[in-house]
Amino acid sequence: DAGVTQSPTHLIKTRGQQVTLRCSPKSGHDTVSWYQQALGQGPQFIFQYYEEEERQRGNFPDRFSGHQFPNYSSELNVNALLLGDSALYLCASSFQGAPNSPLHFGNGTRLTVT
Amino acid sequence: AQSVTQLGSHVSVSEGALVLLRCNYSSSVPPYLFWYVQYPNQGLQLLLKYTSAATLVKGINGFEAEFKKSETSFHLTKPSAHMSDAAEYFCAVSLTPSGYSTLTFGKGTMLLVSP
Repeated sequence: DAGVTQSPTHLIKTRGQQVTLRCSPKSGHDTVSWYQQALGQGPQFIFQYYEEEERQRGNFPDRFSGHQFPNYSSELNVNALLLGDSALYLCASSFQGAPNSPLHFGNGTRLTVT
Repeated sequence: AQSVTQLGSHVSVSEGALVLLRCNYSSSVPPYLFWYVQYPNQGLQLLLKYTSAATLVKGINGFEAEFKKSETSFHLTKPSAHMSDAAEYFCAVSLTPSGYSTLTFGKGTMLLVSP
């Protein structure tokens, strides 16, 4: 049973560029959340997708956008990259029908902006 | 609004010694509390969670945590540290027991275990 998978594992971009990160949820999960973990910090919530719609959003600018596909996989897009966007981006999945089940996290995508 | 404070960015123990990682929370409603562990270059793994049942929660790898409402604390303990416990530990709070709502994390505590 595959867990949460994220791609790519590492990425290097230049300031001003755009990036797309991808996430496949754990089998049977229908909700995807994205977190940003800067170096030395705890993860911060970016947004959550359910039924192909953004359901909740954290305190992140509009440069951060996302999408969820019918197969429940998700993308995180960041436009006009800043040096401060360098971080580990974590995807987490869950199943709405199991309210006591915990989030399952992927291993993350390490984004470096130069 | 919710928040989590983890006291000590680094904690060093000897193998076999007691592990104590501190977490205090702030929440306007009864919270759900979690401890996650992160090994290098990996994602987060759930150690244990408090969901308003027993105040003493047992998790994986011999870890446990006690919810103390009067102290707004949820400290993580393990009686005897093992070298494999060296990792970063995050305390988190949520409004729901699962992924319905978001997790608010502390800044993390790096556990160092020496032989």
